[in-house]
Amino acid sequence: EPEVTQTPSHQVTQMGQEVILRCVPISNHLYFYWYRQILGQKVEFLVSFYNNEISEKSEIFDDQFSVERPDGSNFTLKIRSTKLEDSAMYFCASSQGQRNQPQHFGDGTRLSIL
Amino acid sequence: GENVEQHPSTLSVQEGDSAVIKCTYSDSASNYFPWYKQELGKRPQLIIDIRSNVGEKKDQRIAVTLNKTAKHFSLHITETQPEDSAVYFCAASRQYKLSFGAGTTVTVRA
Repeated sequence: EPEVTQTPSHQVTQMGQEVILRCVPISNHLYFYWYRQILGQKVEFLVSFYNNEISEKSEIFDDQFSVERPDGSNFTLKIRSTKLEDSAMYFCASSQGQRNQPQHFGDGTRLSIL
Repeated sequence: GENVEQHPSTLSVQEGDSAVIKCTYSDSASNYFPWYKQELGKRPQLIIDIRSNVGEKKDQRIAVTLNKTAKHFSLHITETQPEDSAVYFCAASRQYKLSFGAGTTVTVRA
């Protein structure tokens, strides 16, 4: 069964540094998402992306965050100047269609900001 | 925005018994309700979903019910097994994003 893959599995970064999290969505999926989960808390939506554009973003997704699909397979999340509170598990997800279609999650990247 | 409430936060059941988790949502325009199972340190895994034009859906030992009028939906696991132990999240969506509940930690006692 095809899966969403994410790299790296764990990223440790100094506060203030830039970090890029990478995802390879399922190949025939058209909609891509980033979510985050702070330890012990619920999964929170960050952003959705379709046709090379952001389709929706949450209030968490401020100017420090950006997303990009640099080629036909990768989908990246960049945090420009990391803060301690950015420490979380970041999940990438993808779905075939927009409405009522299952979103499949990757294994996540654990981001630790020191 | 959408607010999803989930309860209970923890649930301990004897192996073989049933487990029920309940969620309520606030946005009447939400029309898609998936349930995810997350084992420690792993990805959320979709286990079942229901759309707003359906009242109930079953898949082997798991079932989900939806009451659109009351804006609540429930997950039912029958004949629980030790491998059912995990955190279960409900979610609601009307367009792009999934809004998740806070999760229920289910422990199945042997």
